[in-house]
Amino acid sequence: GDSVTQMEGPVTLSEEAFLTINCTYTATGYPSLFWYVQYPGEGLQLLLKATKADDKGSNKGFEATYRKETTSFHLEKGSVQVSDSAVYFCALRSMEYGNKLVFGAGTILRVKS
Amino acid sequence: NAGVTQTPKFQVLKTGQSMTLQCAQDMNHEYMSWYRQDPGMGLRLIHYSVGAGITDQGEVPNGYNVSRSTTEDFPLRLLSAAPSQTSVYFCASSYQGRVQYFGPGTRLLVL
Repeated sequence: GDSVTQMEGPVTLSEEAFLTINCTYTATGYPSLFWYVQYPGEGLQLLLKATKADDKGSNKGFEATYRKETTSFHLEKGSVQVSDSAVYFCALRSMEYGNKLVFGAGTILRVKS
Repeated sequence: NAGVTQTPKFQVLKTGQSMTLQCAQDMNHEYMSWYRQDPGMGLRLIHYSVGAGITDQGEVPNGYNVSRSTTEDFPLRLLSAAPSQTSVYFCASSYQGRVQYFGPGTRLLVL
């Protein structure tokens, strides 16, 4: 079945550091890809998405590019802030189960001032 | 719009008790789903519905029931709670299977 693998955390960075969270996927065809963010005590919020190969999703300074050659969708930000501390989930929309989302395990990001 | 709402926010149950987790959305989305979130495992699909009167099982349906009598509501029932059902439960909705919007979650502890 479809699956998503993302780098294990926690990732601890100083403010203004560069962030990369790796995400690779296995799926039939070319699924839509997403990054969701979960702030402490809250539900998941869509951060960005890409629906086809070479698309770049971006939001709040975060970016991710849909790479079909490497089946990857790595999340990047040039300068993180303390307020970016959260759990980040990579996900794909599967053709199974009525277009369910398949999630990675999540990566905890901690940003220190 | 309130978006996706869930109640209660937190619940403690004893093994064998039953309860219903409520989920409602006011965006007229036809697709609704329930996920559980466990440490190191991301979110896993429990049940989903593609419209009122239609429900189906996801990856981990055992021990849970759902119904969808209206477009707005999608309750999740635990028939006989077990410690393995201790988790955080998220309800989500979407239009035509596109971007899914999540509720704030319900933390469930089964003793």
